[in-house]
Amino acid sequence: KAGVTQTPRYLIKTRGQQVTLSCSPISGHRSVSWYQQTPGQGLQFLFEYFSETQRNKGNFPGRFSGRQFSNSRSEMNVSTLELGDSALYLCASSIGQGLTEAFFGQGTRLTVV
Amino acid sequence: QKEVEQNSGPLSVPEGAIASLNCTYSDRGSQSFFWYRQYSGKSPELIMFIYSNGDKEDGRFTAQLNKASQYVSLLIRDSQPSDSATYLCASLSGTYKYIFGTGTRLKVLA
Repeated sequence: KAGVTQTPRYLIKTRGQQVTLSCSPISGHRSVSWYQQTPGQGLQFLFEYFSETQRNKGNFPGRFSGRQFSNSRSEMNVSTLELGDSALYLCASSIGQGLTEAFFGQGTRLTVV
Repeated sequence: QKEVEQNSGPLSVPEGAIASLNCTYSDRGSQSFFWYRQYSGKSPELIMFIYSNGDKEDGRFTAQLNKASQYVSLLIRDSQPSDSATYLCASLSGTYKYIFGTGTRLKVLA
C-alpha cells in the first residue's frame, strides 16, 4: 500500500513569489493535515481538511491556504513568500477526522531566498 | 505555555538500558496521544498511540498515560543505537487538532 506522497521534495523560491505544494494521502484516507517544521518552533499545525472541507486551522497568516479535492488529494499554497517561510512542510493523512493515528509524507523542503 | 511540553534533551542512555521519555499536556479535552520518532532529515514515523489510562506495550516500547496528571511517557527497553532520534509527543485535542511537542533528542551510546 502506497504511503503519503508529497511533491515536490525540494523547492527554492524567491521572496515575494508564491508556491503550491501537493499531498496525496494513503488510499482510503479522507483527512489530510499540514504542518510546518522549523528547528526553532518544531512541528506547527497549519490546517486540516476532511472531505474537501477545512475543519481546523492553526495560527498562521492568510498567506497560507489550502484545499482538498474529491479524491482526498490536498494542496497547500503560500503567497508572497517571506524568508521566514523556509521550512520543511509535512502533510499527514488519517482515515477519518481525528479517529486514528496520522501518517506523514516525506515532506517538501522549501527554501526562500 | 506550550500545549504539549517535552524536555528537548539530549537524553543519553547506554546501549541496553531503558530510555524514559516524558511529555505533559495542558488541554484536558485531549483524547489520544501519540509518539513519533523522527530521524534527522526524515519525516516523523508513528511508534504507538494511547488513549486509555495505564500502560500499552508494543515490543520494546511501552506508552504510559495518566490523564489526572496530564502526563504521557514512552519507555524504550533494551535501547539500541538505532533508536537514536528525536521523539515527538503529540496530543489529539477535543477539536481534532494534532498538537506536537518540540521533541526530545535521544542518544543511545554504544
